[in-house]
Amino acid sequence: DTEVTQTPKHLVMGMTNKKSLKCEQHMGHRAMYWYKQKAKKPPELMFVYSYEKLSINESVPSRFSPECPNSSLLNLHLHALQPEDSALYLCASSQDQSYEQYFGPGTRLTVT
Amino acid sequence: LAKTTQPISMDSYEGQEVNITCSHNNIATNDYITWYQQFPSQGPRFIIQGYKTKVTNEVASLFIPADRKSSTLSLPRVSLSDTAVYYCLVVGSSNTGKLIFGQGTTLQVKP
Repeated sequence: DTEVTQTPKHLVMGMTNKKSLKCEQHMGHRAMYWYKQKAKKPPELMFVYSYEKLSINESVPSRFSPECPNSSLLNLHLHALQPEDSALYLCASSQDQSYEQYFGPGTRLTVT
Repeated sequence: LAKTTQPISMDSYEGQEVNITCSHNNIATNDYITWYQQFPSQGPRFIIQGYKTKVTNEVASLFIPADRKSSTLSLPRVSLSDTAVYYCLVVGSSNTGKLIFGQGTTLQVKP
């Protein structure tokens, strides 16, 4: 299995809602990542988990809260988002931080 | 972190070879050059990585001159399905795990 899966594919939420994005991989990778990508822009790194510990936080606002319950799962908890947070949220994994990253298809998030 | 510069867009026709050049003047000794491909509404996909000279796989070739200040991704005999954005990145011990994507090159392959 060489796939990173993300659910849901699409999400529409209001500014007062709480929702979560889920990412899963079964490749035995020990590093997992969250990226944000706005339309016609490159992906921007948000968080990196290495061996289930948060190793990089790119100064992301606290309304985004990552969680790594185990080595196969990565969640991104969303609370009190703004319309400008609407974007494609990509999850990726790699063998460790030194290796190439495998990306999921993303979750298209719309904040109304 | 070494900054990369690539053309914003390129056009080609089916069956042609496409060469996309990337400039990375400040590349460090321990850095590698990595290329990713991204189709619309999908996540990026790793294509190839190299340190120096030439690397080839089933998808592409990567040419890196001796001074390593630039690199060229070569796609042989492109098809319509190669229409995508191609990103050149520099990765190394100073930014392990931190993929910093530049603007990328949008390749449009025409019939």
